[in-house]
Amino acid sequence: GAVVSQHPSWVICKSGTSVKIECRSLDFQATTMFWYRQFPKQSLMLMATSNEGSKATYEQGVEKDKFLINHASLTLSTLTVTSAHPEDSSFYICSAKSIAGRSEQYFGPGTRLTVT
Amino acid sequence: TQLLEQSPQFLSIQEGENLTVYCNSSSVFSSLQWYRQEPGEGPVLLVTVVTGGEVKKLKRLTFQFGDARKDSSLHITAAQPGDTGLYLCAGGNTGKLIFGQGTTLQVKP
Repeated sequence: GAVVSQHPSWVICKSGTSVKIECRSLDFQATTMFWYRQFPKQSLMLMATSNEGSKATYEQGVEKDKFLINHASLTLSTLTVTSAHPEDSSFYICSAKSIAGRSEQYFGPGTRLTVT
Repeated sequence: TQLLEQSPQFLSIQEGENLTVYCNSSSVFSSLQWYRQEPGEGPVLLVTVVTGGEVKKLKRLTFQFGDARKDSSLHITAAQPGDTGLYLCAGGNTGKLIFGQGTTLQVKP
């Protein structure tokens, strides 16, 4: 149980285009999902908290207009990187917290974004 | 601001050796989780500790939560090459997780 999927697993896009990444909880409902960014050999950096049916809460320094988050249902959150630039290239990981209220977050497999 | 200091950040050992990874904070956490991550994949939850002084074992891995719930340790006995990976501790309070810097472990055969 507690499986989280991400799609796509990797994507290459041209500078200036937008990319959408999906995060789904497959076997549980998640009122809260989180989006992280990770650079090589570094820890996870929280970008934003996504709550079903309401606006996302962004961490300090994360541009909300650049990283659009939509949490349309209890099993799906999307992150759209708008007008992508090479510096947005990174490993993006989502996690989901079960509606059951436990503290654990379950992570997706990540999406490798390369902007050329 | 809550911070988790994880040490060491890099560790390279021979198969069969023991090791301990530490996670320390000046803040109290209601729970602390340990994750293991392999390159190109998401972190996988190993354990959650919630009670001060709690000790949990997962095969050759022993996790301990400090009495004051400010620190935790991960001890691996007789490490194997399959233990190679990035180990992350993460503390939770307000729903968000605060991650340590991670420990990259390499176990050489």
